[in-house]
Amino acid sequence: DARVTQTPRHKVTEMGQEVTMRCQPILGHNTVFWYRQTMMQGLELLAYFRNRAPLDDSGMPKDRFSAEMPDATLATLKIQPSEPRDSAVYFCASGPLQGRGTNEKLFFGSGTQLSVL
Amino acid sequence: AQTVTQSQPEMSVQEAETVTLSCTYDTSESDYYLFWYKQPPSRQMILVIRQEAYKQQNATENRFSVNFQKAAKSFSLKISDSQLGDAAMYFCAYRTPCPSGLRKTGNAGNMLTFGGGTRLMVKP
Repeated sequence: DARVTQTPRHKVTEMGQEVTMRCQPILGHNTVFWYRQTMMQGLELLAYFRNRAPLDDSGMPKDRFSAEMPDATLATLKIQPSEPRDSAVYFCASGPLQGRGTNEKLFFGSGTQLSVL
Repeated sequence: AQTVTQSQPEMSVQEAETVTLSCTYDTSESDYYLFWYKQPPSRQMILVIRQEAYKQQNATENRFSVNFQKAAKSFSLKISDSQLGDAAMYFCAYRTPCPSGLRKTGNAGNMLTFGGGTRLMVKP
């Protein structure tokens, strides 16, 4: 089965350290999303790519977060410097380019659980 | 801006019984999609069921069905013959279709807006 792969699955780090989370979207999917899940805020969209171009990153704190797609098989989300409030589960999701009436789905990875001490 | 509301933080159902999870949404769009996702303890987000707003017929997937009330902006999920494996967080989600190559202001094509989730417990 095709799946979205995220690494690492868990990450514990100290405040101030750089954190890099990676995502391998499903081959052929050209839209990629990063979501953050916390108990307080639920699922929040951080960034959205289409054909590797960032289309919407309004949900992402720009001063410390950055998202890139260096190629079609890799999306990265970096936090530098990390803070305790960044502790959350970060999900990557991918899907085919959407059009009206297409039978689309969005496929999620298993997430990276980040703990910043 | 579109919002999705799940008013039930927790629900409980007896095994083999039926349970309904509520979801309401706010939008000015006429064409959109609605989804229910399941998140078990493994954290994996699993698509349960999908509804297209232009279809009047309620979607069904085996034991899962929806009651889509477009005028009321309501999209509830009914789980019949509940099983222990149904225990999970359930998220209602909304998105608008985006014409190829264009980005819609406020909700870029394929971007899902999620509700806060409902934790479903299944009692043996």
